Amino acid sequence: KQEVTQIPAALSVPEGENLVLNCSFTDSAIYNLQWFRQDPGKGLTSLLLIQSSQREQTSGRLNASLDKSSGRSTLYIAASQPGDSATYLCAVISGEWGGSEKLVFGKGTKLTVNP
Amino acid sequence: DTEVTQTPKHLVMGMTNKKSLKCEQHMGHRAMYWYKQKAKKPPELMFVYSYEKLSINESVPSRFSPECPNSSLLNLHLHALQPEDSALYLCASSQDPQRSNTGELFFGEGSRLTVL
Repeated sequence: KQEVTQIPAALSVPEGENLVLNCSFTDSAIYNLQWFRQDPGKGLTSLLLIQSSQREQTSGRLNASLDKSSGRSTLYIAASQPGDSATYLCAVISGEWGGSEKLVFGKGTKLTVNP
Repeated sequence: DTEVTQTPKHLVMGMTNKKSLKCEQHMGHRAMYWYKQKAKKPPELMFVYSYEKLSINESVPSRFSPECPNSSLLNLHLHALQPEDSALYLCASSQDPQRSNTGELFFGEGSRLTVL
């Protein structure tokens, strides 16, 4: 059974810091790993998708890496801003799309960026 | 357009009521999903529709009844719910990876359900 762990559970940093969020998973037979952001009481916003054949993806100040063999992904946020404050969720997707597809979420990292 | 639209945003219902949640996407995605999220927990999968056919039911109680009238619409019919069913209900969609090459998931803003 796939288990996804996110460390740390919470993180508070001053504005401007570069930071790293970690995600680990137990079964490396995945086809996608997706990072989401969730603001309180809101839906999930997709940040980055890394397919199993890829090593990293970048979007603006965000960079996500994937090491399937070790079961790890990291989300790097450069020059953090107060608007980055949210819960960040890592989701690992395995199985067959639309059929036996399984998406397992980590419990998230709650990020607070202080002005 | 990468939008998944859910209505209503908030719903309060009694245990004897019948209500429905609605989800719509116009991205041409062929899989649609219902997730349930309790406070401070990650989302949990309830149902998956692939090409308008129910492909996954994660042992959800029958008081939740999904329906996929067409490839753009997904409904969740609610009947005789319990207070513990109060949660944020999230809809998501994704395209067949054989068409889009990614299978990326897109979520709606959710419907906040309170059962009295």
